[in-house]
Amino acid sequence: DGGITQSPKYLFRKEGQNVTLSCEQNLNHDAMYWYRQDPGQGLRLIYYSQIVNDFQKGDIAEGYSVSREKKESFPLTVTSAQKNPTAFYLCASNSGRGGRYTEAFFGQGTRLTVV
Amino acid sequence: GQQLNQSPQSMFIQEGEDVSMNCTSSSIFNTWLWYKQEPGEGPVLLIALYKAGELTSNGRLTAQFGITRKDSFLNISASIPSDVGIYFCAGRGGGATNKLIFGTGTLLAVQP
Repeated sequence: DGGITQSPKYLFRKEGQNVTLSCEQNLNHDAMYWYRQDPGQGLRLIYYSQIVNDFQKGDIAEGYSVSREKKESFPLTVTSAQKNPTAFYLCASNSGRGGRYTEAFFGQGTRLTVV
Repeated sequence: GQQLNQSPQSMFIQEGEDVSMNCTSSSIFNTWLWYKQEPGEGPVLLIALYKAGELTSNGRLTAQFGITRKDSFLNISASIPSDVGIYFCAGRGGGATNKLIFGTGTLLAVQP
């Protein structure tokens, strides 16, 4: 079955450590996205990539980094520079050609907690 | 970053009641989407709207793309306990990217 897989489901990080969240999709989608969700707030865009080897900052990119070396994979690194990293992180993907898009499929999320 | 105004923030209703929620934006959108998120899971797409004035149903759910292209509503008829969750609207303004802007969500609780 096609879909998006995020791992791990739960992640604990000590202050000052970098951690990497995995996102893999087998939907053959060109575009991939990382969102952050905090209680009582909508989804805020961290980074997105529309094609392999290219990515752009979203609205809250500070303290995060990404790579897009393969179409299927879009890992997110939460660096020690991110001051408040405890949140629920969601990865999504979709496909777009000539202005027509399939709508975003989301992974099941990774809950990151700083201890 | 821009977020949509979504209301109400939360609703606590009895099973069988109808529900209505809406989103408004200061910008024109070409696409309106409605998602449902259950606790600890990612959002799941419920309805997609692509044309101003479009009215689309998915079972007991009905959504409309506002004529001004700056708003959308979602109705749920005859609610059931499994309707519980957070409902998000999302809009896309067009252009070269496919970025979505999300509303702040409506928490729906249904009492049996």
